[in-house]
Amino acid sequence: DAGITQSPRHKVTETGTPVTLRCHQTENHRYMYWYRQDPGHGLRLIHYSYGVKDTDKGEVSDGYSVSRSKTEDFLLTLESATSSQTSVYFCAISEDRAFQADEQYFGPGTRLTVT
Amino acid sequence: SQKIEQNSEALNIQEGKTATLTCNYTNYSPAYLQWYRQDPGRGPVFLLLIRENEKEKRKERLKVTFDTTLKQSLFHITASQPADSATYLCALPTSSSASKIIFGSGTRLSIRP
Repeated sequence: DAGITQSPRHKVTETGTPVTLRCHQTENHRYMYWYRQDPGHGLRLIHYSYGVKDTDKGEVSDGYSVSRSKTEDFLLTLESATSSQTSVYFCAISEDRAFQADEQYFGPGTRLTVT
Repeated sequence: SQKIEQNSEALNIQEGKTATLTCNYTNYSPAYLQWYRQDPGRGPVFLLLIRENEKEKRKERLKVTFDTTLKQSLFHITASQPADSATYLCALPTSSSASKIIFGSGTRLSIRP
């Protein structure tokens, strides 16, 4: 998985509790992304980062926040988990090569269940 | 905003035949288009990228075409094998950032022996 780890790999939590998912990379890639994948919706971008402390929203960012204090770590936080946030979460990384397209490399995913 | 449609939620074909998957987009023509493979319980894996000025790209048994007039990409697997069974996703950049891409919902391909 191209030097990308996600933790935890599985989590069950209760509605209203805070949850933090961690993505760690050893590739020194500039861009990091958080996606969620749900049946019928495919992969949807939650937030992404284009450098340390530089983040931006994706298409489904409501209810999520992110932080990136180091190049290698990108955290996704659900401040107050809801059942609609039950999903599989993927982290991805890509290089920054100006004027060229970059493929993304994905982590193994975290399966989150909110009861 | 850009939308992607991958025709056929599922495709079942006989081993040895050519599998053809379709990806259509609706708005602006992207500078490139990507195809990924995803196995159950795992993250997507990048397969191929084709740029807008390329009509066709090949990699081993894989071939991708890109028709900007039709706003369509076709993904072919020749001499298909049961090991090719997976979900295949197409992806292309959003208009605002070449490093931010959107994904289609995928086509689940099953190759029967």
